Amino acid sequence: AQSVAQPEDQVNVAEGNPLTVKCTYSVSGNPYLFWYVQYPNRGLQFLLKYITGDNLVKGSYGFEAEFNKSQTSFHLKKPSALVSDSALYFCAVRDGAGANNLFFGTGTRLTVIP
Amino acid sequence: NAGVMQNPRHLVRRRGQEARLRCSPMKGHSHVYWYRQLPEEGLKFMVYLQKENIIDESGMPKERFSAEFPKEGPSILRIQQVVRGDSAAYFCASSPPSPGYNEKLFFGSGTQLSVL
Repeated sequence: AQSVAQPEDQVNVAEGNPLTVKCTYSVSGNPYLFWYVQYPNRGLQFLLKYITGDNLVKGSYGFEAEFNKSQTSFHLKKPSALVSDSALYFCAVRDGAGANNLFFGTGTRLTVIP
Repeated sequence: NAGVMQNPRHLVRRRGQEARLRCSPMKGHSHVYWYRQLPEEGLKFMVYLQKENIIDESGMPKERFSAEFPKEGPSILRIQQVVRGDSAAYFCASSPPSPGYNEKLFFGSGTQLSVL
């Protein structure tokens, strides 16, 4: 069975500081990992994905994520946070050995403080 | 090129009534996914459909909930005899034909269902 854990409900960071939003996963087969962002009263927007290849994946709005197979993690990062980055962030996984639906974590609310 | 369209944006129902939520996928997409987001919770998978077929309904409650994606027209998520616990945001997503495991989903803006 596939699962995704986002251990932090809330992350606060000062503007200009680096940010990290944590995600760990569990799958039977190869993991296909995604990050989405949700702004208030909006649907989810795709940020980036890891399928194979380089462990560091770059995505939209200056975000990147690092795939770590040994720690089964896929943490989202950004070198310098903006106030406009404040939103709800979801990590998601597809299990390469399972069904084709995308399984989401419970989300982490990021607040960037001016 | 319109994105995933969901309507209505907000839906208010009284307990016992029926709720119908509509989703038109992106142009060229033939796979639709429905998710439910409860307050302060993440997205919970409900059902995955392609035209005229339910592929995976493992996340659907056994009673009162049904989904369809007919050959013509939008996908419909139907909730019969709604209860207050059904109040949530319901999101639809779509993907192209024969989606691979690396395929991202495109989400609509959701329908906020409120049951009085």
